[in-house]
Parts: sequence; structure tokens; C-alpha cells
Amino acid sequence: QKEVEQNSGPLSVPEGAIASLNCTYSDRGSQSFFWYRQYSGKSPELIMSIYSNGDKEDGRFTAQLNKASQYVSLLIRDSQPSDSATYLCAVCTNAGKSTFGDGTTLTVKP
Amino acid sequence: GAVVSQHPSWVICKSGTSVKIECRSLDFQATTMFWYRQFPKQSLMLMATSNEGSKATYEQGVEKDKFLINHASLTLSTLTVTSAHPEDSSFYICSVRRESSYEQYFGPGTRLTVT
Repeated sequence: QKEVEQNSGPLSVPEGAIASLNCTYSDRGSQSFFWYRQYSGKSPELIMSIYSNGDKEDGRFTAQLNKASQYVSLLIRDSQPSDSATYLCAVCTNAGKSTFGDGTTLTVKP
Repeated sequence: GAVVSQHPSWVICKSGTSVKIECRSLDFQATTMFWYRQFPKQSLMLMATSNEGSKATYEQGVEKDKFLINHASLTLSTLTVTSAHPEDSSFYICSVRRESSYEQYFGPGTRLTVT
């Protein structure tokens, strides 16, 4: 079992729809959770951090964390073609060990 | 956020030569930097964790004598690919971590092609 699991996709949604990206992790000691966006040929960029159970909203992005279920998700509202990218989930334990998932490729079709 | 620079952004070298890649943290002093490698259409692969003032910690399967890492200051880490071979051709990306939040900020990457 991988430490951080994501559906590889590709996930395809029409423009304007909600894209839902999911991630599960195995280490119950994980305390910090991140979503990164990586455009093809570019390096990843941080888009969301979440540390507590519940929802965290930033513009069109909402991160959701459920530590009991070891589940973190990213919702993208009003998806735009420019959101087409690979989304990486990352978790970090209190000891500072970071693990990335393999990423989910999202395509937003005009 | 944070600004991380990498130099060079791309490099072509002949097989058997060495290449040095620089990673600079421009916004804050980073005690921990990471080096990743990514092959086309594959996931990020952590190569090593670079700790300022001490030896880097390499991931299993990464040859420490081939990939030399020097974290000389709180703002600079270098990766030297020694005796490069065509199979070392890849996208090398560094990141810096803000210790207060564990957020990682990535450099723009260095595309290495070994001919």
C-alpha cells in the first residue's frame, strides 16, 4: 500500500463544473496536508494547506480534511480550462517527513 | 509563498561530464531543502534531503557518490551529477521547506539532457 494514494485519472470535467480530487494516506501521524498543482513541463506550486479537520476555502478552491478517515480532498468550483493540470497531494508528519502522491491529472473541457 | 530559483534552467552535456545545479531560497533561510527528479509523465521522485551544515540524506536507490549534494548556506544548495549518462537525463527540481508550516516551495526546475 502506498503511503499517499490518489486516483491517477485522468479526470475530465466540463468548464464550469466542480472538480473533486481525492487523496488517502496511511500514516495516522500525519498532521499537515497540502495540495500542489503541476502544469505539464513545469514544477509544482502550492495551492492549499490544511491542518485541521473540516473545510478550508480559498477562492474557487476548497480543501477538506478528515483525519479519522485519513482522507483529504480538493474541490475546484467553476472549473476553468486553465485548471487543467496534475494535482499532487502531500502529507507531512510532525517529524517532518513529507510524502507526495503520484498525482491526479485533471482536464477541464471548454 | 516563497521564491526559489534554480540555475541553470536547462543544460545539455556530454556523457561522462559533471553538471552542477544550484538552488537558492530567495525569501527565507531554509535549513531543509529537497531534491527531486521527474521523468516525463511520471511522478515526483525524492532523491535526497539537504540539511544545512550536515550531510544530505539520500533516498534508497539513489547513489550518493553520483549525485553530490552540498547545502553550503541557509539559502543555497547544489546538486552535482557526476559522470552523467544519458539515463540521467531528467527534470531536476529543488524545493525549500518553511519549518513553521512544513509548506514546500519548488524551484522552476532544471532540465538535463545528456548526449
